[in-house]
Amino acid sequence: DQQVKQNSPSLSVQEGRISILNCDYTNSMFDYFLWYKKYPAEGPTFLISISSIKDKNEDGRFTVFLNKSAKHLSLHIVPSQPGDSAVYFCAASAYTGNQFYFGTGTSLTVIP
Amino acid sequence: NAGVMQNPRHLVRRRGQEARLRCSPMKGHSHVYWYRQLPEEGLKFMVYLQKENIIDESGMPKERFSAEFPKEGPSILRIQQVVRGDSAAYFCASSPSNTYEQYFGPGTRLTVT
Repeated sequence: DQQVKQNSPSLSVQEGRISILNCDYTNSMFDYFLWYKKYPAEGPTFLISISSIKDKNEDGRFTVFLNKSAKHLSLHIVPSQPGDSAVYFCAASAYTGNQFYFGTGTSLTVIP
Repeated sequence: NAGVMQNPRHLVRRRGQEARLRCSPMKGHSHVYWYRQLPEEGLKFMVYLQKENIIDESGMPKERFSAEFPKEGPSILRIQQVVRGDSAAYFCASSPSNTYEQYFGPGTRLTVT
């Protein structure tokens, strides 16, 4: 039962343009969301998070948007850089819970 | 400040052998989580531990798998009598509490032949 879904396994974007990665979830109890970035042969690296009391959180080139009614979140990267090429995972948790539920990842390629 | 450390990075076992995966959390972190990533899938939660306690093992298979986080030393994920389906990347993460972001180690890639 995949409670967090990333329906696009891959995405290619030109350098300098915006990258938009999407994530949907099914569990209405989730109230804390994170994005992780993963390079091959490395562990995931925390990128940005958002709690359900917000609908937007920004950190430099990265912005996460949360639409609770649609159970949808997205990660915007602008401008995209070749070093952003990696697999991006979204994860969700009920704030008082212990588990994070991960999506299957989206592989982003930024073309120079 | 060293990050989360996992060893070995690669482990090859024959069917029926035991696999032991080690995780040393970041300094000051007392919460450890184990995840498994099967090929073409996302990370799946297995178990959450604090020092000397298993808090949540709802994601761990009931048989052959066990985890511990002793008072001294690393957390250990143990898989007995490994089968081919156990081949995966196993990631450990740590946090200072269960309300903070989790910091991941580089993973152990287990191959069962």
